[in-house]
Amino acid sequence: EAQVTQNPRYLITVTGKKLTVTCSQNMNHEYMSWYRQDPGLGLRQIYYSMNVEATDKGDVPEGYKVSRKEKRNFPLILESPSPNQTSLYFCASRPSDWGALGATNEKLFFGSGTQLSVL
Amino acid sequence: GQQVMQIPQYQHVQEGEDFTTYCNSSTTLSNIQWYKQRPGGHPVFLIQLVKSGEVKKQKRLTFQFGEAKKNSSLHITATQTTDVGTYFCAGGKNMDSNYQLIWGAGTKLIIKP
Repeated sequence: EAQVTQNPRYLITVTGKKLTVTCSQNMNHEYMSWYRQDPGLGLRQIYYSMNVEATDKGDVPEGYKVSRKEKRNFPLILESPSPNQTSLYFCASRPSDWGALGATNEKLFFGSGTQLSVL
Repeated sequence: GQQVMQIPQYQHVQEGEDFTTYCNSSTTLSNIQWYKQRPGGHPVFLIQLVKSGEVKKQKRLTFQFGEAKKNSSLHITATQTTDVGTYFCAGGKNMDSNYQLIWGAGTKLIIKP
């Protein structure tokens, strides 16, 4: 089944304890992205990757790291989590690395989400 | 920076009433996508609009893209409990030679008991 798999689903941690949220897709997608979702703010992009070894900052990258060593995996790393990083996190992927203007079929496939609480 | 404003933030309706959410961009978009997130779930793609003035329907859902490609709306006729969730618009733009989505904050549809 085509899917984006995130783990863990729930995570409670303490300030300063490094953590990694994993993301894997089995659809051979070039583009992958991380979002955080907070009430009233919608989805805000943290980092994205156009392809292997190509990552870029999104709107809210501070306090996060990512890597894209292979096409299917795009882990999100919090080196020193803080309480303001308590949020719902989503990984997403889409078929092509970039679309032309008016491109079709550029829809995002989302993982099931990771609810992170930093105490 | 680039923004897509989505209103309202919440809408309470009685089952059977209509629901509409609106998105407005400060700049022209290449396309617009709509996603639905059920409570406790993840966003799921509904549709993409590309052409100026485009209107698409999916059963009771009607999606419109404005003539200037700066605004869009989603209208649900005769809401049902299965429609509950948050609806997001996301405007597509080419920025720095990369295609990116600019997200609205979402409209939460709540059905009154």
